[in-house]
Amino acid sequence: NAGVTQTPKFQVLKTGQSMTLQCAQDMNHNSMYWYRQDPGMGLRLIYYSASEGTTDKGEVPNGYNVSRLNKREFSLRLESAAPSQTSVYFCASRQQGASDTQYFGPGTRLTVL
Amino acid sequence: AQSVTQPDIHITVSEGASLELRCNYSYGATPYLFWYVQSPGQGLQLLLKYFSGDTLVQGIKGFEAEFKRSQSSFNLRKPSVHWSDAAEYFCAVGQEGNYQLIWGAGTKLIIKP
Repeated sequence: NAGVTQTPKFQVLKTGQSMTLQCAQDMNHNSMYWYRQDPGMGLRLIYYSASEGTTDKGEVPNGYNVSRLNKREFSLRLESAAPSQTSVYFCASRQQGASDTQYFGPGTRLTVL
Repeated sequence: AQSVTQPDIHITVSEGASLELRCNYSYGATPYLFWYVQSPGQGLQLLLKYFSGDTLVQGIKGFEAEFKRSQSSFNLRKPSVHWSDAAEYFCAVGQEGNYQLIWGAGTKLIIKP
């Protein structure tokens, strides 16, 4: 049982390049989330998917797109990377209810030059 | 607006001493409350959560937290810290029917030998 996995672990991009961050969970969870973490700012929600086939914007969606490929996988795409997107990105999943625990992946450290 | 405040950015505690990390929230409805821990370079792990019942909640690694509705607080405590407790701690608040959590900015715990 791997839980939540993310690839890649590290990535360096040049401004304007694109990339996709991959996330998969094997816990049969319905909801999945993408966060970014910046020093002193805690976690900020980029996008989430309440269930397969649905996605919604979070607090900071600009510059990102997401795809809920199936129940297991939820990808985050940067179409044209900017230095302001330098951050650590975490994927999380949750069974369904508001009291359910969110389980986190190990994170992707992205640097945009 | 809904918010979570962790007033202490850093806390330094001697090994073996007691610990209390503060969390205050502003939320209109009955909240679900979470404490997560993040070790350096890792994802977040749930320490404990409150969603109903006894307001004193026990978690993993010897941590506990008390929900005080009158003070809008959910402070995390541990009677005796170990060097391995050095990490960043995040408080989060959720609500039934809402897929998002509101996160505090985190408190970094430093352990003095």
